[in-house]
Amino acid sequence: DAKTTQPPSMDCAEGRAANLPCNHSTISGNEYVYWYRQIHSQGPQYIIHGLKNNETNEMASLIITEDRKSSTLILPHATLRDTAVYYCIVRVRVYDQGGKLIFGQGTELSVKP
Amino acid sequence: GAVVSQHPSWVICKSGTSVKIECRSLDFQATTMFWYRQFPKQSLMLMATSNEGSKATYEQGVEKDKFLINHASLTLSTLTVTSAHPEDSSFYICGSDRRTNNEQFFGPGTRLTVL
Repeated sequence: DAKTTQPPSMDCAEGRAANLPCNHSTISGNEYVYWYRQIHSQGPQYIIHGLKNNETNEMASLIITEDRKSSTLILPHATLRDTAVYYCIVRVRVYDQGGKLIFGQGTELSVKP
Repeated sequence: GAVVSQHPSWVICKSGTSVKIECRSLDFQATTMFWYRQFPKQSLMLMATSNEGSKATYEQGVEKDKFLINHASLTLSTLTVTSAHPEDSSFYICGSDRRTNNEQFFGPGTRLTVL
């Protein structure tokens, strides 16, 4: 089962910041938080990941609370092309060779003009 | 990001036939590859994990004799759906693990329709 909880859907106005929350209250100390998104009928696209520090890249920012029980993905200036299902995933390490990504239901973000 | 390809992008076959789907990591070596299945309006469901040169590890409820996985090299994994039936119609997606930075990249998916 997925170890994360996300709201099923959110709306955001074009040009505004989209803040997508995720709860992962049972996260273990060596588990990372990953964010992916999936545009209809395509494979998931990697966005960002982090362990305990906040992270930023060209796509988004990831804010992880100090207790690591929740996080927020921020798309600073949402565009219509950001409309997608966003998945927050806690990565389980398997034999230290990488980890299984177990997808939950995600948040369907609709960016509106 | 890294590039993962899948072939074919879509396939239609008759019930009872077998279908092979290829997954390639184009610009990195993937020690571990993952196969997912996604039904309409549902999330991705992990089917199996494959490590290069060893047998795949299947998730509970996934029939290993029906979904044959071969990971012959660090850049290629194949999924064969044997004796496909209409209920196997789905979107199949592979993921490749790039160990250098703990990232997993996904292919564009293969749409399988079994008539």
